[in-house]
Amino acid sequence: DGGITQSPKYLFRKEGQNVTLSCEQNLNHDAMYWYRQDPGQGLRLIYYSQIVNDFQKGDIAEGYSVSREKKESFPLTVTSAQKNPTAFYLCASSTTRATGELFFGEGSRLTVL
Amino acid sequence: KNEVEQSPQNLTAQEGEFITINCSYSVGISALHWLQQHPGGGIVSLFMLSSGKKKHGRLIATINIQEKHSSLHITASHPRDSAVYICAVGSEKLVFGKGTKLTVNP
Repeated sequence: DGGITQSPKYLFRKEGQNVTLSCEQNLNHDAMYWYRQDPGQGLRLIYYSQIVNDFQKGDIAEGYSVSREKKESFPLTVTSAQKNPTAFYLCASSTTRATGELFFGEGSRLTVL
Repeated sequence: KNEVEQSPQNLTAQEGEFITINCSYSVGISALHWLQQHPGGGIVSLFMLSSGKKKHGRLIATINIQEKHSSLHITASHPRDSAVYICAVGSEKLVFGKGTKLTVNP
């Protein structure tokens, strides 16, 4: 079945450590996104990519980094520079950025101890 | 004022009731999305629409471009409909509402 796979589902890290969240899709979608969700707030865009080897910052990119070496993969690294990294992270993809239906992964919950 | 406002924030209904969730927005859009987030956190796309009305099973979504307003209706609600419903609007960039938490009691 086609879809988006995020891993790990739950992750704990100590302050000062970098952590990488995986996102893989087999939908042959060009556009991929990383969102952050905090309690009581709408989803906020961290990074997006519309094509392999190209990505753009979203609204809250500071302290995060991404890569897009393959069409199906868009990993997110939460660096030690991110001041408040505890959150729920969602990866999504669509055929095109402007008009495509969104498909989401199951999310990764990161807790910094 | 938020660019996307959803109402109500929380909604409790009895099984079988007709449900309406509203979304008002102030940005220009090429499409409006209705999403469903389950308690585990996963999100499913319900509708993407830019005009008129769409229906899928017991769910109906409408949009009025002139009034910048959309509604999501659920007919014959069921406990399995309990979830957070999120409205998202935009063109190149999507802006998300904070969601409406729906609880349907048996």
